Amino acid sequence: GAVVSQHPSWVICKSGTSVKIECRSLDFQATTMFWYRQFPKQSLMLMATSNEGSKATYEQGVEKDKFLINHASLTLSTLTVTSAHPEDSSFYICSARPERGRGQETQYFGPGTRLLVL
Amino acid sequence: LAKTTQPISMDSYEGQEVNITCSHNNIATNDYITWYQQFPSQGPRFIIQGYKTKVTNEVASLFIPADRKSSTLSLPRVSLSDTAVYYCLVEGGSNYQLIWGAGTKLIIKP
Repeated sequence: GAVVSQHPSWVICKSGTSVKIECRSLDFQATTMFWYRQFPKQSLMLMATSNEGSKATYEQGVEKDKFLINHASLTLSTLTVTSAHPEDSSFYICSARPERGRGQETQYFGPGTRLLVL
Repeated sequence: LAKTTQPISMDSYEGQEVNITCSHNNIATNDYITWYQQFPSQGPRFIIQGYKTKVTNEVASLFIPADRKSSTLSLPRVSLSDTAVYYCLVEGGSNYQLIWGAGTKLIIKP
């Protein structure tokens, strides 16, 4: 149980184009989804937190107009990197946290999306 | 603000028990401690979560002292496939804050 998928798993695009990454919770409903970025040999960097049906909360330093997040349903969140540039090349990972039941629920991660902007 | 600190790297040998400690001096009352394992180019995988004392599952144990200012992930009888980066996460609170450690690169040798 608690499976999260991401699509695509990798993408190569030209500078200036926009790229959309999908994150789906396959066997549970997720009221909250998180988007991370990870550069080589570095820790996870939280970009934003999204709750179903409301606007995402972005971490300090993350441009909300560049990284558009939509969490339209309890099983799907999308991250769109608009007008991508080479410095946006990174490993993007989403995670999903199940609806809270008894006790603490943690987050379950997708497999990640490797983005390379030429 | 809570901060998590863990060793940058550790080495061990197959069959040994490995303990990785994370310090979180300013952990809040409602925060939980979670550990993840990450292989290169993959998303992190949940290992174990705890609040206090000891938690054990089929792959690991988590020891948390009474003051909760640190936690120790214990991996019994490691194998080569346990070579990975292990992250400590303090999460929770009224705002559901996420405080990630920088990760410990564990290398298991034959």
